[in-house]
Amino acid sequence: AQSVAQPEDQVNVAEGNPLTVKCTYSVSGNPYLFWYVQYPNRGLQFLLKYITGDNLVKGSYGFEAEFNKSQTSFHLKKPSALVSDSALYFCAVRDASSGGGATNKLIFGTGTLLAVQP
Amino acid sequence: DSGVTQTPKHLITATGQRVTLRCSPRSGDLSVYWYQQSLDQGLQFLIQYYNGEERAKGNILERFSAQQFPDLHSELNLSSLELGDSALYFCASSPRGQNTEAFFGQGTRLTVV
Repeated sequence: AQSVAQPEDQVNVAEGNPLTVKCTYSVSGNPYLFWYVQYPNRGLQFLLKYITGDNLVKGSYGFEAEFNKSQTSFHLKKPSALVSDSALYFCAVRDASSGGGATNKLIFGTGTLLAVQP
Repeated sequence: DSGVTQTPKHLITATGQRVTLRCSPRSGDLSVYWYQQSLDQGLQFLIQYYNGEERAKGNILERFSAQQFPDLHSELNLSSLELGDSALYFCASSPRGQNTEAFFGQGTRLTVV
């Protein structure tokens, strides 16, 4: 079964410092991985995805993610954190195990709360 | 703004009642997904429709049902509501093609009292 794990419930970082939000995955077949962000009382916003190609994926708001096949990881990174980056971050994997492969439904991790201190 | 519209934003109802949540996908998107977000279960996939037909089913209770209409909007019906059904219900839509990202609405917060 496909799954993702976010080992940290919360990550604290000072403004201006680099940040990393961790995600590991378990899939059968090729992994199709996504990061979403959720601000308070808002829906999820797409940040970036890895389908194939370069292991370093660039996304919205200066975020990037590094795909590592040997470590089955897809960590989200940003070189310099902003207070406005404080939010809940979700890693997700496409689950094609049902629907005949013709579905883009997602399995989400438990989320990591990012708190950026000024 | 993702382009996905969900109504209502908030809903408070009593146990045993039935409610209908509505979702309008982004223009041109044929797929609609429903997810439930709760404190104890996290974000769970419920069901997907593609161009009016059910495409995939997740952890959706028998008391819940959904449909997608010819104009592509979708409704999620929740019946015989229990306290544990209190959650944030998200609708998402995605364009055609594999591995396209989903765009989420702002959700309907359901409170069952």
